Amino acid sequence: GAVVSQHPSRVICKSGTSVKIECRSLDFQATTMFWYRQFPKQSLMLMATSNEGSKATYEQGVEKDKFLINHASLTLSTLTVTSAHPEDSSFYICSARDSVTDTQYFGPGTRLTVL
Amino acid sequence: AQTVTQSQPEMSVQEAETVTLSCTYDTSESDYYLFWYKQPPSRQMILVIRQEAYKQQNATENRFSVNFQKAAKSFSLKISDSQLGDAAMYFCAYRGYSGGGADGLTFGKGTHLIIQP
Repeated sequence: GAVVSQHPSRVICKSGTSVKIECRSLDFQATTMFWYRQFPKQSLMLMATSNEGSKATYEQGVEKDKFLINHASLTLSTLTVTSAHPEDSSFYICSARDSVTDTQYFGPGTRLTVL
Repeated sequence: AQTVTQSQPEMSVQEAETVTLSCTYDTSESDYYLFWYKQPPSRQMILVIRQEAYKQQNATENRFSVNFQKAAKSFSLKISDSQLGDAAMYFCAYRGYSGGGADGLTFGKGTHLIIQP
């Protein structure tokens, strides 16, 4: 199957700093990518839909100014958590849609810890 | 809004036996997709099986099969000949078609599957 990578896999930062997470589709082009958040022992919650060359679409309750999404190419989307606080600590997972197979492939996730 | 409900927080099955995980959903759409994903301790989401709502035939992938009841909005997963490697969290997920296929997934809360050797 297709491969989606995420970088970094783990990041620890101080409160008030910004953190960027990258999501790459390695062997297919993805016009649409998705960002999810997963709290410990909970389900995945869709945060936003990232569209190449256009603005992201955020789910209700997700602060667009805090979670900045950029989808500058067909293989890369980035999520920047701005002015991070301890409550932003979570597991962030991206997925990329292969439009040829109409399948979403998930990245391995990024564990963010804000001190 | 669509909702996905998994009523079994945890299930346990003996190795080589069969287990069924339940999932119900609520939607007003007629076209949609349903999925079962597996999340092992590594937390990598792995697609197990998917079902298009317009297809009456239940999807099957080797030891994994679904019982899709569209009218009842039920989508259960049957795992036959359970193996130790099947131990994981299993999430049922829904994807609408309003975005031409570019919709995000709505997940249930998950079922933790334990395989007893």
